[in-house]
Amino acid sequence: DAGITQSPRHKVTETGTPVTLRCHQTENHRYMYWYRQDPGHGLRLIHYSYGVKDTDKGEVSDGYSVSRSKTEDFLLTLESATSSQTSVYFCAISANERNSPLHFGNGTRLTVT
Amino acid sequence: QKEVEQDPGPLSVPEGAIVSLNCTYSNSAFQYFMWYRQYSRKGPELLMYTYSSGNKEDGRFTAQVDKSSKYISLFIRDSQPSDSATYLCAMTGFGNEKLTFGTGTRLTIIP
Repeated sequence: DAGITQSPRHKVTETGTPVTLRCHQTENHRYMYWYRQDPGHGLRLIHYSYGVKDTDKGEVSDGYSVSRSKTEDFLLTLESATSSQTSVYFCAISANERNSPLHFGNGTRLTVT
Repeated sequence: QKEVEQDPGPLSVPEGAIVSLNCTYSNSAFQYFMWYRQYSRKGPELLMYTYSSGNKEDGRFTAQVDKSSKYISLFIRDSQPSDSATYLCAMTGFGNEKLTFGTGTRLTIIP
């Protein structure tokens, strides 16, 4: 699993509550990404980071924020969870060069009731 | 129209058959092409990584890119039940940090 740990692996939460998902890597890679995966949509990029404190939005960033205070950790926060954010969330990392392939964690399954 | 189109399947074939998985794309700037395999309840894992047009072989797997037709393929020879998974294509252009993924094809190899 390329030294990527996602936590928690499963979470059930109520609408309106804040939720934070964590991604931890041991590869010292520069780039980190958060994706969500939904049937019929595939993998969609939420946010990504190209270094400590350097982040940018992906195609589905509304309702999500991220932070990266250390190279190894990338946090995804749902400020006020909604049922449409029920999904499987994957963290990915890639090496220091652009166009390097991504390596994924095993995901967090989030259910918002 | 999506930038990357992939037949979702499901695709079922008998063990030992040759499998062909395909993606088409519309962005002529794409230069790097990848295939990922995803088992149930797991993250995608990189299978093949190719640059520009041509073929690349790795064991039973062959990746083929035809940039003139904007078409990529993954061939699996002597398919095994352990190949049963969802296969995702992905691609990006030079200098771009972000990948564009297909929606995945679910493959089942029947013993």
